[in-house]
Amino acid sequence: GAVVSQHPSRVICKSGTSVKIECRSLDFQATTMFWYRQFPKQSLMLMATSNEGSKATYEQGVEKDKFLINHASLTLSTLTVTSAHPEDSSFYICSAALRIGGASDTQYFGPGTRLTVL
Amino acid sequence: QQQVKQSPQSLIVQKGGISIINCAYENTAFDYFPWYQQFPGKGPALLIAIRPDVSEKKEGRFTISFNKSAKQFSLHIMDSQPGDSATYFCAASWDQAGTALIFGKGTTLSVSS
Repeated sequence: GAVVSQHPSRVICKSGTSVKIECRSLDFQATTMFWYRQFPKQSLMLMATSNEGSKATYEQGVEKDKFLINHASLTLSTLTVTSAHPEDSSFYICSAALRIGGASDTQYFGPGTRLTVL
Repeated sequence: QQQVKQSPQSLIVQKGGISIINCAYENTAFDYFPWYQQFPGKGPALLIAIRPDVSEKKEGRFTISFNKSAKQFSLHIMDSQPGDSATYFCAASWDQAGTALIFGKGTTLSVSS
């Protein structure tokens, strides 16, 4: 159980185009979803926190107009990278929080999406 | 105060040996400490997690030791195997709905056969 999927797994696009990444919790309803970015050989950097039906909360330094997050349901969140540029090339990973007893959350991560902007 | 400091950055262990990765935190409000394992090109997978009401938790070959007074916690991998070669991240958060994880910088473990 507690499986999170991401689509696509890999995408190559031209500079200036927009790319949408989907994150789905397959067998549970997520209380919250998170989007991370990871550069090679580095740790995960939180980009934004997303709750169903409300606006995402972005971390300092993350452009909300560039990285659009839509959380349409308890099982689906999307990240759209608008007007992508080569510096946006990275590994994007989502996670979904599952409530297990009381108020505690366990985060389960998707397999990641490798974005390459030419 | 939000940081989680992880060491070592890289670790080489012989097959059958014990791998030990350490993490330290400053914020005493943290009350949930998971470890994640990540293989190249994949998302992190939850390995084991602990809350501060216990000092040790064991799952198979993986053990978390937690020292609340020292604000430190560590991951021990017993009988390390080549298949354990991966990057390991410690993390911390508040035990509260919708709280993001604060990650350490990661440790790349290589287990030689």
